[in-house]
Amino acid sequence: AQKITQTQPGMFVQEKEAVTLDCTYDTSDPSYGLFWYKQPSSGEMIFLIYQGSYDQQNATEGRYSLNFQKARKSANLVISASQLGDSAMYFCAMREGGSTLGRLYFGRGTQLTVWP
Amino acid sequence: DTGVSQDPRHKITKRGQNVTFRCDPISEHNRLYWYRQTLGQGPEFLTYFQNEAQLEKSRLLSDRFSAERPKGSFSTLEIQRTEQGDSAMYLCASSQTEASNYGYTFGSGTRLTVV
Repeated sequence: AQKITQTQPGMFVQEKEAVTLDCTYDTSDPSYGLFWYKQPSSGEMIFLIYQGSYDQQNATEGRYSLNFQKARKSANLVISASQLGDSAMYFCAMREGGSTLGRLYFGRGTQLTVWP
Repeated sequence: DTGVSQDPRHKITKRGQNVTFRCDPISEHNRLYWYRQTLGQGPEFLTYFQNEAQLEKSRLLSDRFSAERPKGSFSTLEIQRTEQGDSAMYLCASSQTEASNYGYTFGSGTRLTVV
């Protein structure tokens, strides 16, 4: 079974509008971390936001927020006030286990296009 | 420290040749990871090191692939007898052992094309 599922191959949003990118995950480990990365066409993976499984509140980082619904195993990324520079590939990823970092499992990504 | 550095950025090789990639992690990071990303897919885990010890290898890492981190600093990933299916972006990442909200820092990758 896929650990991370991103069902939206592509999303389009107009500049200054908000957009939600979907992510569901599958794990039986009670301790895990969820990450979102942005990958522009240049190739580097840019960290956006992190949510721990025991965090009580949804994570926020500037224009990025993570809508964490633990019972549904959902970790959607919300980008508010989209900018042209937000056009990129977005990946959801999960680390299983406690505080010690290990491998990440990635989804297939969502290509976001922001139009003027 | 300028982040995780990968060399070369691009490599074109003929099928059957051997290639080697290098990754220089952030100096204070003791963990180093290799991922492979094919077109239209998310990165797939290959292997990771803590200092010089290779702690986990994916089944994707066939016997034609070998990774080393001899002094616990930089790492090399070698692919022997390359095949067209090896064409991909090879990403390196580094981290400290203990979790932080930022966790992993990725390099810009090495794009391999096997012709």
